[in-house]
Amino acid sequence: DGGITQSPKYLFRKEGQNVTLSCEQNLNHDAMYWYRQDPGQGLRLIYYSQIVNDFQKGDIAEGYSVSREKKESFPLTVTSAQKNPTAFYLCASRGPTSDAYNEQFFGPGTRLTVL
Amino acid sequence: EDQVTQSPEALRLQEGESSSLNCSYTVSGLRGLFWYRQDPGKGPEFLFTLYSAGEEKEKERLKATLTKKESFLHITAPKPEDSATYLCAALPSGTYKYIFGTGTRLKVLA
Repeated sequence: DGGITQSPKYLFRKEGQNVTLSCEQNLNHDAMYWYRQDPGQGLRLIYYSQIVNDFQKGDIAEGYSVSREKKESFPLTVTSAQKNPTAFYLCASRGPTSDAYNEQFFGPGTRLTVL
Repeated sequence: EDQVTQSPEALRLQEGESSSLNCSYTVSGLRGLFWYRQDPGKGPEFLFTLYSAGEEKEKERLKATLTKKESFLHITAPKPEDSATYLCAALPSGTYKYIFGTGTRLKVLA
């Protein structure tokens, strides 16, 4: 079964801790994305990567970091510099760069709570 | 500035009562308009892609349409299992950064 997996489903962080959220896809997609979702707000882009070893900041990258060492994996680290990290985090991927493959497909999400 | 606005924010329908959800967009050239369904605590599920004005796509009780300024998601004879939040997103030309609306929360009552 092809798809996107995110782990863990729930994550609790203490003040001052860094935590890493996992995102893996077996769709052979080139591009991967991280979004943050808060109640009453649309999805906000944190980081995205079009190809391996390359990534760009989104609209709210401060306090977050990513890596893209493998095509299948795009982990997100929420650092202690992120002052309000409690949110639902979504990972997505998109197929080859062309006008016929612009849909994003999403993982099940990780809910991060700061204690 | 690129922007996507969805209305209404919330909608309650009786089972079988058809209605439409609106997605207005202002982007610098539209590469694609996307509809997703999101259930509570889950990731969005892809429904439709629309590329050009006049295009329509259907899936069961859902039909998506596109004009030069907005898209509609028509729900015909909805059932309680259609209850969810429906998200709209636009992809402007020259970028792969998607612009999302805040969604419409749909509740279908039996």
